[in-house]
Amino acid sequence: DAGVIQSPRHEVTEMGQEVTLRCKPISGHDYLFWYRQTMMRGLELLIYFNNNVPIDDSGMPEDRFSAKMPNASFSTLKIQPSEPRDSAVYFCASRQNTGELFFGEGSRLTVL
Amino acid sequence: GEDVEQSLFLSVREGDSSVINCTYTDSSSTYLYWYKQEPGAGLQLLTYIFSNMDMKQDQRLTVLLNKKDKHLSLRIADTQTGDSAIYFCAAINFGNEKLTFGTGTRLTIIP
Repeated sequence: DAGVIQSPRHEVTEMGQEVTLRCKPISGHDYLFWYRQTMMRGLELLIYFNNNVPIDDSGMPEDRFSAKMPNASFSTLKIQPSEPRDSAVYFCASRQNTGELFFGEGSRLTVL
Repeated sequence: GEDVEQSLFLSVREGDSSVINCTYTDSSSTYLYWYKQEPGAGLQLLTYIFSNMDMKQDQRLTVLLNKKDKHLSLRIADTQTGDSAIYFCAAINFGNEKLTFGTGTRLTIIP
């Protein structure tokens, strides 16, 4: 398997623009997680899904953030409108029921 | 909720042992993990320990768990330049499925 695949790897955008980050989890994994990494706050869990259903979105910072998982092989994290403080590396991770958590390479977002 | 704490920096001479420490607050944590993050990359699982164990060894890596004190450590024997990275401790309680990460410890190798 190719692992967890995220796109884009890098995104530079202007404040106010919509940003969509994409993730393809490892086939057969039941859980998908979105994390955000910043120097100030480290790794924060934003939201996670189990069998495509959002279970806990308490880490989503504001209504500007939304995440979907329309099927078992695809998830998106959308920020609209984006702000400079959203600049971070966003990681997607997936795992089976009780197995190892596998991370993607991350999407580095810069909002100017 | 769970809090996981680590020191931010550690410098070690090449060939020496590195010991990275971590404390956590939730005594019901089921699994405890060590992840490694190299620059520009995602997190890679190094090793993990189940909460009913007190030690696990895997080649150059030794994990020690003191469940009473909620203290976890990762020892890297014969530290090499390739071990330079940020090391994250993480804990999970499979009752709530959330994996909580520490702040990460940046390990620097001194030649």
